[in-house]
Amino acid sequence: QKEVEQNSGPLSVPEGAIASLNCTYSDRGSQSFFWYRQYSGKSPELIMSIYSNGDKEDGRFTAQLNKASQYVSLLIRDSQPSDSATYLCAVKVTGGFKTIFGAGTRLFVKA
Amino acid sequence: GAVVSQHPSRVICKSGTSVKIECRSLDFQATTMFWYRQFPKQSLMLMATSNEGSKATYEQGVEKDKFLINHASLTLSTLTVTSAHPEDSSFYICSARDAAKGVMNTEAFFGQGTRLTVV
Repeated sequence: QKEVEQNSGPLSVPEGAIASLNCTYSDRGSQSFFWYRQYSGKSPELIMSIYSNGDKEDGRFTAQLNKASQYVSLLIRDSQPSDSATYLCAVKVTGGFKTIFGAGTRLFVKA
Repeated sequence: GAVVSQHPSRVICKSGTSVKIECRSLDFQATTMFWYRQFPKQSLMLMATSNEGSKATYEQGVEKDKFLINHASLTLSTLTVTSAHPEDSSFYICSARDAAKGVMNTEAFFGQGTRLTVV
């Protein structure tokens, strides 16, 4: 059974701080990793995808991947109240296009 | 960007009736679409993978006769919840993958979701 684990939170950070979200996965052969943001009652929206070890930056967001440790993280710099949402880590399993989602981490950014 | 349109966004139906949900890729062709279900405060659970022109692949524990999936064209997949019951009430979400981006690109884009309430 392929699994994706996330701390459910809630994670609370003050406005302007860095929010750090973590994710581990069980499928050692996975090559594609994604972070989605989901507001309450809405469908997920893709924030970042990462395929190689190391860091990938896009604006205030940085995704970090360590395949040896089977670990993915998302850093949000200069957190804003509008960043308050549930962040879902997703991993494409080996072979095919099926993607497994973690349970999500709820983030609260306090103004 | 890639747009996936899902319809309806909200539906209320009586127990025992069937409901059809449509998922369309508006600006790209999608050979593969995915159907998820999400219960309150839980994550997305993959129900099935829909492949254009062939039978859907269902996840373990998902009743294929109850959740009928049809992917008749490169831009449209439908999910029909047959003989719906209150326990089928959930948030159903589709996602689609752009076939033109090659096998290495596995980003999928989500529709708006359908909130189904069975009374």
